[in-house]
Amino acid sequence: SAVISQKPSRDICQRGTSLTIQCQVDSQVTMMFWYRQQPGQSLTLIATANQGSEATYESGFVIDKFPISRPNLTFSTLTVSNMSPEDSSIYLCSVGLTGTYEQYFGPGTRLTVT
Amino acid sequence: QQQVKQSPQSLIVQKGGISIINCAYENTAFDYFPWYQQFPGKGPALLIAIRPDVSEKKEGRFTISFNKSAKQFSLHIMDSQPGDSATYFCAASNNAGNMLTFGGGTRLMVKP
Repeated sequence: SAVISQKPSRDICQRGTSLTIQCQVDSQVTMMFWYRQQPGQSLTLIATANQGSEATYESGFVIDKFPISRPNLTFSTLTVSNMSPEDSSIYLCSVGLTGTYEQYFGPGTRLTVT
Repeated sequence: QQQVKQSPQSLIVQKGGISIINCAYENTAFDYFPWYQQFPGKGPALLIAIRPDVSEKKEGRFTISFNKSAKQFSLHIMDSQPGDSATYFCAASNNAGNMLTFGGGTRLMVKP
C-alpha cells in the first residue's frame, strides 16, 4: 500500500479566492489522480496528474479552474481557482501503485466556500 | 465517464446479518473491480478487489461475487457488525494504474 497525506485537511475560503491542496506520498508512484466528492455523493475524477507533463483533465474540468502540478513522483498539488460556493466539496488525491491495479486514497481536503 | 450503477443507495441490516450490495457495469473493457469503504471524514479505503478471471473472492467476512456474462458484481458482508457501518463504493478500471469509475455509493447501517 501507500501512505498519502494531504494539506490542508479542511479550509473555509471566501468566494473569488484560490486554494492550493498538497498531496504527498511516502513512495515514488507513476500515477496520481485528483477526485472531487460533493457532500453525500460519489467520487468524480478531476484529472490525472502526469509527472513532467500537463495533467489530463476529464470532461467538465478545465486547467484554468483546476491547475495541477506534479513536480516529482511523490508530490502533486491541485489549485481550486476563483472559488464559488459550488466548489464546496471534499478533494481527494489517489495514487496507483506501479505495475498494479490498486489505488489508494488520501484523507481528503474538506473545502467550504462562503 | 463510463457508468457503474450501484444499488441500493442505503441499507439497514441487523447485527449478525448479511449485507449485500450490487453493482452493474456497461464497459466490457473493465477488468478490475474494487470495493472501497469510507467512514465519515475519511478517504475511501480499499477493501477488496477482483479480476474477471475468477467468479468469487473472499477475504475474511467480505466476499465479492462476479458475473462476467451479466456484467454484475456484488459485495457480501457476512456477520455484519456495527463497526461495518460506512459508505461502500464499487468501482471499475480497464487498465493497471488507470482511472477508476465509481458507483454511486451505498450507505450501510448495521443495527446492534
